[in-house]
Amino acid sequence: DTGVSQNPRHKITKRGQNVTFRCDPISEHNRLYWYRQTLGQGPEFLTYFQNEAQLEKSRLLSDRFSAERPKGSFSTLEIQRTEQGDSAMYLCASNNPLGQGIRENYGYTFGSGTRLTVV
Amino acid sequence: RKEVEQDPGPFNVPEGATVAFNCTYSNSASQSFFWYRQDCRKEPKLLMSVYSSGNEDGRFTAQLNRASQYISLLIRDSKLSDSATYLCVVKNFGNEKLTFGTGTRLTIIP
Repeated sequence: DTGVSQNPRHKITKRGQNVTFRCDPISEHNRLYWYRQTLGQGPEFLTYFQNEAQLEKSRLLSDRFSAERPKGSFSTLEIQRTEQGDSAMYLCASNNPLGQGIRENYGYTFGSGTRLTVV
Repeated sequence: RKEVEQDPGPFNVPEGATVAFNCTYSNSASQSFFWYRQDCRKEPKLLMSVYSSGNEDGRFTAQLNRASQYISLLIRDSKLSDSATYLCVVKNFGNEKLTFGTGTRLTIIP
């Protein structure tokens, strides 16, 4: 387990369809985050989990979006009734505040992302 | 006003030159500061944390000015491999989320 894994890498879907993305964090990390990034912008926070508890959700996370982390390990992000404005890179990250060293405490490790295109 | 502001660039700099980026943040409660690097169509990767006393990692130097609420990154002796987008990132006290700037695009020219 050398990093954060996201699947699928790419997803093309028709408007109105539902999509689900998966994130497998670094195994010893207890915090998991979802971000969204559109072209020319920095990543924007969506939500985060500590173990299985979802502790914060951004107002960007409309009622069409839902995230889960049922066993405190992997997480899924589902978008229902996709819209063209949902097209973006969806990034997952993990970290562990109890980890060793300041760098690990505060820096996130990001996955390669899932690039969603809604047509 | 955006919480974290950066000059988007692009900065086109000859190899071997020194280049500096600045970033300003609006929330005085910001507690932790970072520079991330993002290559084209890749994920952001932590370049360095920024400490109040300033810190250096090889050719990279980061500084924080809390009074003026800005962060800087200096790259000396730039290499072709430094070409990337550099993201300024802040984290506020009591809040786990990272807030990213839009990024500054750097291209090192041979």
